[in-house]
Formats: sequence, structure tokens, C-alpha cells
Amino acid sequence: DGGITQSPKYLFRKEGQNVTLSCEQNLNHDAMYWYRQDPGQGLRLIYYSQIVNDFQKGDIAEGYSVSREKKESFPLTVTSAQKNPTAFYLCASSIGLAGDIQYFGAGTRLSVL
Amino acid sequence: AQSVSQHNHHVILSEAASLELGCNYSYGGTVNLFWYVQYPGQHLQLLLKYFSGDPLVKGIKGFEAEFIKSKFSFNLRKPSVQWSDTAEYFCAVNSEAGNNRKLIWGLGTSLAVNP
Repeated sequence: DGGITQSPKYLFRKEGQNVTLSCEQNLNHDAMYWYRQDPGQGLRLIYYSQIVNDFQKGDIAEGYSVSREKKESFPLTVTSAQKNPTAFYLCASSIGLAGDIQYFGAGTRLSVL
Repeated sequence: AQSVSQHNHHVILSEAASLELGCNYSYGGTVNLFWYVQYPGQHLQLLLKYFSGDPLVKGIKGFEAEFIKSKFSFNLRKPSVQWSDTAEYFCAVNSEAGNNRKLIWGLGTSLAVNP
């Protein structure tokens, strides 16, 4: 069953803690993305990766970090530098970067304790 | 900078009413246009897309959208909505300029259909 798997579904972060959100895809897509969704603000791009071992900052990269060591995996770390991390995080992938349909995971809801 | 504007943030309709959600973008060159939908508790998914050809495109569940280049618009329509169309709808645009082409997203329109 092809698709994108995000885990965990819910995550709680303590002050000063780094947390990592998992995103795995078995669609054999080259490109992967992380978005942040806040009510009334649409989707804002955090980071994206066009190919393994390469990634680019999106519009709101501050306080976040990523890695792309394997084609199927694109984990996102929310660092303690991100002062307002409470949001819904969406991972997506596409065959290539330019103009392709993006396929989304179910999302991770991150809250601060 | 490129931008996407969705005119309606919240729409409430009764079943069988007609729907039109506005979407305008600011880029003047060649674009790819998308509507995505997020049903309650479900993944964000593609509703329909326009890359080239017939400017009237049809998507899933009876939705259609018309690309009007002169108006920089890609409005979403459905002649008769159902309760199951309750969802959040996002318009997105991808320009064909530059090497790092990304989707630019609208802020979304929340649609509630009353039975």
C-alpha cells in the first residue's frame, strides 16, 4: 500500500526540548517537503528536498532542521529555537520538484507542554 | 513575489446549493494550477489540476475549475454541493520559472455544507 507515513500522530514538547517528526514514503518519489499548517494561514513551507543528501530552506525554516540520508525518509527536527512550535505538520512528496502533484501524509500535531 | 489569493475564508451553504470558490494568482508567466482538498480527519489530497490545454478542468466528486489567463484566476465550482463536501479547500500555483519551483499556496477556504 503506497503512501506517506508520518509519526507520531500527536507529539508533546517540553520547553527547551528538541523533537523529531518522522516522514517515510514508499512512492519512490525524489522530492519531499515539510509544511506547517496553522488555522487561517494555509500551508507554509519549512524545508524541501529535491534529492538525497540535498535540501533547501523554505519560507519559515528558522528553528527547524532536516536531513535526507535516504530517498524514502525526510525527518524534521523542531529545535528549542522554534519559539512557537504548536502547529499541525504535514509531510509531502512528489515525483520531481517542478509542478508535480504532491502527496501528503496524515500529519503530526505538535503541542507544547 | 508570487502570491495566491483565495477570496472566501469561510463559506456556509445548504445542500444542493451551487459553489464557486475564487482563486487569483500574481505570476504573469506560465503556471501550473491546483486545487487540493482536506476533508475532516483525512489527508490533504488533489482535487484537480491544470497544466495546459482545455482551460476547463474536471476533478473528482463533480468539481471543476476554469483557468482564465487574462484574469489570473482559477476558480473552483460545483453545481450542487453535498454535506460530504464539507472540507477545507486550498488553491496552489506553481510557476515554470527558475530552478527551485515551489508551490505557492492560498490561505484556504473552509466550506461547511448544512444538510
